[in-house]
Amino acid sequence: KQEVTQIPAALSVPEGENLVLNCSFTDSAIYNLQWFRQDPGKGLTSLLLIQSSQREQTSGRLNASLDKSSGRSTLYIAASQPGDSATYLCAVGSPGANNLFFGTGTRLTVIP
Amino acid sequence: DAGITQSPRHKVTETGTPVTLRCHQTENHRYMYWYRQDPGHGLRLIHYSYGVKDTDKGEVSDGYSVSRSKTEDFLLTLESATSSQTSVYFCAISDRGLAGVRELFFGEGSRLTVL
Repeated sequence: KQEVTQIPAALSVPEGENLVLNCSFTDSAIYNLQWFRQDPGKGLTSLLLIQSSQREQTSGRLNASLDKSSGRSTLYIAASQPGDSATYLCAVGSPGANNLFFGTGTRLTVIP
Repeated sequence: DAGITQSPRHKVTETGTPVTLRCHQTENHRYMYWYRQDPGHGLRLIHYSYGVKDTDKGEVSDGYSVSRSKTEDFLLTLESATSSQTSVYFCAISDRGLAGVRELFFGEGSRLTVL
């Protein structure tokens, strides 16, 4: 079974700082990896989707990279803003399992 | 925002009572999913549907049943609620199965407390 880990569980940074969130997974045979954002009391919003054949995806200030061989993905947030404060989750789609395996998330706080 | 509505958004019930959560979508997506989110576990798939009357079990399906009689509605039923089913339940939709999903859209969640 695919295991997805996100460390740290929580992170606080001052506004304007560039930061990296980490996601690791145990089985490198994946279809894709997605990063989601979750605001308190809300559902999840998809940020970036990386197919297994891709190395990275970018959207605005967000850049996600994927290294299947090492079982790792990173989400890079440039010039962080207080509005970026949320929990960020990664999820992996694996062959043979019609399921996404989610990490437990990193709770990000950007301090004005 | 994707048109996904979950109801009720909050519910408190007692052990042993039946509970039904409803997910309604206006996107005409084929696939619908029910997840639960618990501290320390992330989101876990309960059941999913790949079409009207077509459903299958997910990772944590024991104690839950689902039905999909129309494309737009996916119901999650707890036949006899237990305290271990206290959780936040999320419905999600996609136009493809999870192996080839382009994007997964989530509802805002239903918080269930079983006393």
